[in-house]
Amino acid sequence: GDQVEQSPSALSLHEGTDSALRCNFTTTMRSVQWFRQNSRGSLISLFYLASGTKENGRLKSAFDSKERRYSTLHIRDAQLEDSGTYFCAAEGIASSSFSKLVFGQGTSLSVVP
Amino acid sequence: DTTVKQNPRYKLARVGKPVNLICSQTMNHDTMYWYQKKPNQAPKLLLFYYDKILNREADTFEKFQSSRPNNSFCSLYIGSAGLEYSAMYLCASSRQANYAEQFFGPGTRLTVL
Repeated sequence: GDQVEQSPSALSLHEGTDSALRCNFTTTMRSVQWFRQNSRGSLISLFYLASGTKENGRLKSAFDSKERRYSTLHIRDAQLEDSGTYFCAAEGIASSSFSKLVFGQGTSLSVVP
Repeated sequence: DTTVKQNPRYKLARVGKPVNLICSQTMNHDTMYWYQKKPNQAPKLLLFYYDKILNREADTFEKFQSSRPNNSFCSLYIGSAGLEYSAMYLCASSRQANYAEQFFGPGTRLTVL
């Protein structure tokens, strides 16, 4: 079935630095969502993209519009409160009327002073 | 209002006892989903309702039941809880069954003792 490969699995950043997370898809995907898991375990939605890029504060996400085979999440000027586990999830192109989100395994981000 | 609500937020259950979790949304979304999330794992789709049609994943088919009495409410029912059911249960909804962003609730943390 459709697979999502998320990297890196863990990342440590110093405050104020920039970095990027990436999700590669084994097949063409319709859309991608990015989430951050909070300390309670809830998923906080960051972005939903069917194409192109979106930006919100220090976060920016892009979805490869041409082949639709990868997405990135850029974190600018990392802050301590950015620490957490980030998940991407992509919507596959299904043969039926229903499509499902396929999740990556997550990136555990730790921002240190 | 783009929120999905879940009750209760925390649930303690005894092995062998039933568990019923509730989800609601007022966005008039066609599709509602239930996911199970365990620590250090990606969310796992259990089942979803498209309108009144229930679709259950093959590997969880016999373990979980669900009902959707109206467009706004959806429940997840475990007939006999086992220790392995301890997890965060996340409800989500989307406007339609494909090409649509999924909105997640805050989750119910179930602990089975």
